Amino acid sequence: KNQVEQSPQSLIILEGKNCTLQCNYTVSPFSNLRWYKQDTGRGPVSLTIMTFSENTKSNGRYTATLDADTKQSSLHITASQLSDSASYICVVSTYGSGNTGKLIFGQGTTLQVKP
Amino acid sequence: NAGVTQTPKFQVLKTGQSMTLQCAQDMNHEYMSWYRQDPGMGLRLIHYSVGAGITDQGEVPNGYNVSRSTTEDFPLRLLSAAPSQTSVYFCASSYKGLVKTFFGQGTRLTVV
Repeated sequence: KNQVEQSPQSLIILEGKNCTLQCNYTVSPFSNLRWYKQDTGRGPVSLTIMTFSENTKSNGRYTATLDADTKQSSLHITASQLSDSASYICVVSTYGSGNTGKLIFGQGTTLQVKP
Repeated sequence: NAGVTQTPKFQVLKTGQSMTLQCAQDMNHEYMSWYRQDPGMGLRLIHYSVGAGITDQGEVPNGYNVSRSTTEDFPLRLLSAAPSQTSVYFCASSYKGLVKTFFGQGTRLTVV
């Protein structure tokens, strides 16, 4: 069964500190892995997208890594800001041949940044 | 570009009522989909469409209908609302290949 598991479920950090969120997946066929940020009451917004051959991808203070061998990904947030308080969702795409495929969503990690 | 537009943003229904959640995109995307988001769970696919006139079921389709008469619009119909359909609903669109998927702002539905 295709699954995406995220940890921790929730996290509280102080402003200015770094943090790392984890994502493990068992999805086949694998097309790409994305990290989304979802602010409260809003839709998810893409942070990074990585294909099988990409090990790391950055977007400002956000850096995602991918280990396709162990099927693990992480999202590292540097010098956190209050605006980073949100839910972070790991999503794996199964898009493959025949123009078919789906997005498999993790349950998300809720990050709270305190002043 | 407005992106993906969902209406309404909030809705309260009584059990047994029907309604349609609207979704429109102005990016000429072939692929559109509906998800529901429940506490502690990842987004789950309800229905999706790979082009006008083509729809298919996702993971949790029961109680919902869709149609895709144009590229731009993909409405989701609740036939007879049940409390189990209380959720936040997201519409999404992308080009074929599911790269760069864009989400609407969500519709918070409560069925009492």
